[in-house]
Amino acid sequence: KQEVTQIPAALSVPEGENLVLNCSFTDSAIYNLQWFRQDPGKGLTSLLLIQSSQREQTSGRLNASLDKSSGRSTLYIAASQPGDSATYLCAVLRSGGGADGLTFGKGTHLIIQP
Amino acid sequence: NAGVTQTPKFQVLKTGQSMTLQCAQDMNHEYMSWYRQDPGMGLRLIHYSVGAGITDQGEVPNGYNVSRSTTEDFPLRLLSAAPSQTSVYFCASRGQGGQPQHFGDGTRLSIL
Repeated sequence: KQEVTQIPAALSVPEGENLVLNCSFTDSAIYNLQWFRQDPGKGLTSLLLIQSSQREQTSGRLNASLDKSSGRSTLYIAASQPGDSATYLCAVLRSGGGADGLTFGKGTHLIIQP
Repeated sequence: NAGVTQTPKFQVLKTGQSMTLQCAQDMNHEYMSWYRQDPGMGLRLIHYSVGAGITDQGEVPNGYNVSRSTTEDFPLRLLSAAPSQTSVYFCASRGQGGQPQHFGDGTRLSIL
């Protein structure tokens, strides 16, 4: 059974810092990995999608990397802003077997202090 | 382009009542899925569908039924609601290949 772990569970940093959120998964047979952002009481916003054959993806101040063999992904946020405060979720899509659906980590709750 | 639409947004039920959570997508996506989100448990997969007429169970399927008669719609049915089913429910869809998942805004369900 796939298990996804996100570390740290919570993080509070001053505005302007660069930071790294970590995600690990136990089964390397994944199709892709997706990072989401969730604001309190809201739905999920997709940030970045990395295919299993890719090493990294970038969007603005966000960079996500993937090391499938070691079961790890990181989300790098540059020059953090108070508006980045949210919960960040990592999820993997299983490869093959005719199945579907994501397996999620429990998230990193991020607070950026003004 | 509406994306993934979930209705209702909020619902309160009494134990034993039945209801259907609606999910519709207008992106012609083959794959659709339902999740529930609970504090401390994260998001967990309830049921999924890989195309019209094909559904299967996820991690927490007990107490829920689904069907997929059209590509666009994937309703989730609670036949006899229980307080343990109080949760936020999200529907998602994706296209073929390694396409990203698109999520609806969720349905907040309380069972009294």
